Amino acid sequence: TQLLEQSPQFLSIQEGENLTVYCNSSSVFSSLQWYRQEPGEGPVLLVTVVTGGEVKKLKRLTFQFGDARKDSSLHITAAQPGDTGLYLCAGSSPMDSNYQLIWGAGTKLIIKP
Amino acid sequence: DTEVTQTPKHLVMGMTNKKSLKCEQHMGHRAMYWYKQKAKKPPELMFVYSYEKLSINESVPSRFSPECPNSSLLNLHLHALQPEDSALYLCASSQGPGQGGYGYTFGSGTRLTVV
Repeated sequence: TQLLEQSPQFLSIQEGENLTVYCNSSSVFSSLQWYRQEPGEGPVLLVTVVTGGEVKKLKRLTFQFGDARKDSSLHITAAQPGDTGLYLCAGSSPMDSNYQLIWGAGTKLIIKP
Repeated sequence: DTEVTQTPKHLVMGMTNKKSLKCEQHMGHRAMYWYKQKAKKPPELMFVYSYEKLSINESVPSRFSPECPNSSLLNLHLHALQPEDSALYLCASSQGPGQGGYGYTFGSGTRLTVV
């Protein structure tokens, strides 16, 4: 059974600080996606990483896919209160022809003004 | 149109009621999904439709019945639910087979409360 371990589960920091969220697995993924979810809303796709070692930037957010495609990180620079939300990573298995996603447990992020 | 629309936004139903959740997308995506999400947990897959055919049923109780009338619409029929079925129900879509790895588009969900 494939698992994605996401850490930390909860993070509360001051505005302007930097932070990193990690997703790790012992399994290889064909791609990994990061979502942000606000209370009562559906997850919104932030980025998909596909190639080992790939780095993508979205304004102050930097996403990295591990060389072996088993792990990924999300780094936020100078966090803003608007970054508050639940961050979810989800991996797509190369062995799965039905395109199911393996989900991390989520990171609840609170940015205090 | 790059969104998935779900209705209703909120639903309260009794354990003897029959209700339906609706989902619509016009992105030409050929895979559509129903997920259930409890508070502070990641989404749990319920059903997958691929090219309008049910391809995955994750051992979901028969009180949940999915339907895909056409490539743009997905319904979830609810009957004789239990209070523990209260959750946020999410619809999502993705490009065709093998393309789920390129990201899902989620609707904003239906907050279901069973009383």
